[in-house]
Amino acid sequence: LAKTTQPISMDSYEGQEVNITCSHNNIATNDYITWYQQFPSQGPRFIIQGYKTKVTNEVASLFIPADRKSSTLSLPRVSLSDTAVYYCLVGERDNYGQNFVFGPGTRLSVLP
Amino acid sequence: GAVVSQHPSWVICKSGTSVKIECRSLDFQATTMFWYRQFPKQSLMLMATSNEGSKATYEQGVEKDKFLINHASLTLSTLTVTSAHPEDSSFYICSANSLSSYEQYFGPGTRLTVT
Repeated sequence: LAKTTQPISMDSYEGQEVNITCSHNNIATNDYITWYQQFPSQGPRFIIQGYKTKVTNEVASLFIPADRKSSTLSLPRVSLSDTAVYYCLVGERDNYGQNFVFGPGTRLSVLP
Repeated sequence: GAVVSQHPSWVICKSGTSVKIECRSLDFQATTMFWYRQFPKQSLMLMATSNEGSKATYEQGVEKDKFLINHASLTLSTLTVTSAHPEDSSFYICSANSLSSYEQYFGPGTRLTVT
C-alpha cells in the first residue's frame, strides 16, 4: 500500500480557496487517490476520488499531475463548517474494494 | 449515496464484560467490511478486514480472540470486544465497500468507554 504524506495542519479564512497537497511517491499503477473529511466523533466522509488529471464535483476538485506522485485537494471558498481533518488515501480497487492505511491527515482550521 | 449505520452509537461497560457493535450497510450489499479504531487526536487504525462467509483477517498486533468479528450476511458485520478493559476505550468505526461505485462508505462510529 502506498504511503502518503500531508501537512499536519493548515489555517485559512472564510471565503478563501484551500489547497491541500498530498505526496504518494510509490503509488502503484492500479492505485486510485481518494480524499475523506472527518469531523470529531464522526466517521470519515467521502469527498472525491480520482486516478489522473482533474476531477471536480460539487464540493471539491482534485488535481493529479501526470506522474501521479502527488495530488492536490482544492476546496473553493471555505466556510467555518469546513474545519475538519482531511485524509489523503491511496489504494487499489480490486475485487475486494479498497482497504486504506490512514496517515495522520491534515487538520484544517477555518477562521472567521 | 450509500449509508452505513452502526449500533450502538455509544456504550459504557464495566471492565471484564463483552460488548457487541453492529455495522450495517443499509442500501447496498457489502462483501467486505473493515473495522477501524481511533484514539483521541489520532488517525484511524485498521483492525481487521471482514469478508462475508469467511474468517476475518486481522492486522498485526490485533488480538483476534479479543476482537471477534462476524460477517454473517452481505449487510451485517459485528465486532465483539471480549473481556473489555479500560485501554479498549476508543472510537470504533466500520466501513463497507460498494462494488458498484468503488467507494468505501464509513459508519458514524461507536464510542466505547470501559470503566
